[in-house]
Order: sequence, then structure tokens, then C-alpha cells
Amino acid sequence: DIQMTQSPSSLSASVGDRVTITCRASQSISVKLNWYQQKPGKAPKLLIYSASSLQSGVPPRFSGSGSGTDFTLTISSLQPEDFATYYCQQSYTVGITFGPGTTVDIK
Amino acid sequence: EVQLVESGGGLVQPGGSLRLSCVGSGFIFSSHEMNWVRQAPGKGLEWVSYISGGGSSIYYADSVKGRFTISRDNAKSSLFLQMNSLRAEDTGVYYCARSAMVPCLDVWGQGITVSVSS
Repeated sequence: DIQMTQSPSSLSASVGDRVTITCRASQSISVKLNWYQQKPGKAPKLLIYSASSLQSGVPPRFSGSGSGTDFTLTISSLQPEDFATYYCQQSYTVGITFGPGTTVDIK
Repeated sequence: EVQLVESGGGLVQPGGSLRLSCVGSGFIFSSHEMNWVRQAPGKGLEWVSYISGGGSSIYYADSVKGRFTISRDNAKSSLFLQMNSLRAEDTGVYYCARSAMVPCLDVWGQGITVSVSS
């Protein structure tokens, strides 16, 4: 199985801050990496697919980069509605796996 | 509107069974692979099972293999998860999720709660 790790596990930030979350795969997954946002009590929402493609309707302040084993999700200017938990997910294998999540809360 | 709606959750004793359902609308259901993903209370996301559009390819997480069965009825735009021999660690919110053509989960249901407790 491909293991996914994320760092940090949590962070505190202010509105307007630039936020970066890192995801690492235990083996190369090319660009088969997706990012999701989840708010309490809600289903996850797809933000980024194939490492860097922005899902339709997602604000352009969200961006993704990386390939192979190392990936990054960046929020260029944090907005109040962005406080949530973010998960990376590999789709290199049918048995997909998620990272443990990064919680972004208000400083 | 593209939508997935789950049903069938509830409280069950350890060793019991439940059958979850997920109905899709607003898209050609048979054209999409489907998945079940779950989330234990206060924990992260865990993939549970996958089924191809026609139902011929099926995969399970090791944690549920031999106990859960995924199936679909494309004529009714429905996805199912039969859960047998339930354990306390199966407790959580279960989501059905659609696979997009690019492999990602682009549409999710609202989630349904399963509680396994005596």
C-alpha cells in the first residue's frame, strides 16, 4: 500500500496569510495526487486534482504543485471560509489512500 | 444538479449487519466508477471499497475484506454496501463518492452514520 503523510498536522494562521501544506507519498505516484477540503459535519470537497489542476468553481487562491513523491497545496491569501481540514489523496492505485489531514485554524 | 444521497445507516450491535444505499442523480451513473469512503469519529478519511462502472471490477480495503460487499444497480442509479460482521471500529460516517474520468473523487454524498455498539 502507498502511505501518505502530511505536514504540519495543524497550523494557526490569520486572514490574508499565505499557507502551505506538504504531502509526501511513500513511493512515486507521478501526478496522481488530489487535495480535498473538509469542514466540520460536511462531506469533503475536491479542490485540486492531478497535483495542480484546479477543480471547477474553486477559487484561484488555491494551487497545487509537485510530482513523484512530494506535493504542496498553497492558499495564497487565507480567507475566513478556508478554515478547515485539508487532505491529500493518491489515485495511483485503485486502493486509494488519504493523508492524515492538516487542520487550518484561526490564529 | 449532480447529487449523491446515502441512506441505510443506524445503530447495530457488534456482529450485526447493515446495508447502505446511495442514489445518484444528474449524471449518467453507469459511466462512473464509484467508491465508499468512511470517517471514524474525530479521525481522517479511509477508503473502503471501489466498483467499476459495469460492476465487473471490485476492490476492498484490507480492514473490510471478507465482511463488506459492494454492488451497484445501474438501472436504478444506485450503489450499495452490504456490511456484515460489524465491529466497533466500523463506526463512523460513510460517504459514497463518484470517481471522475481523471482519477479523483469529484462528487460526494452527504454521508450516513453507522454506529456499532452493544
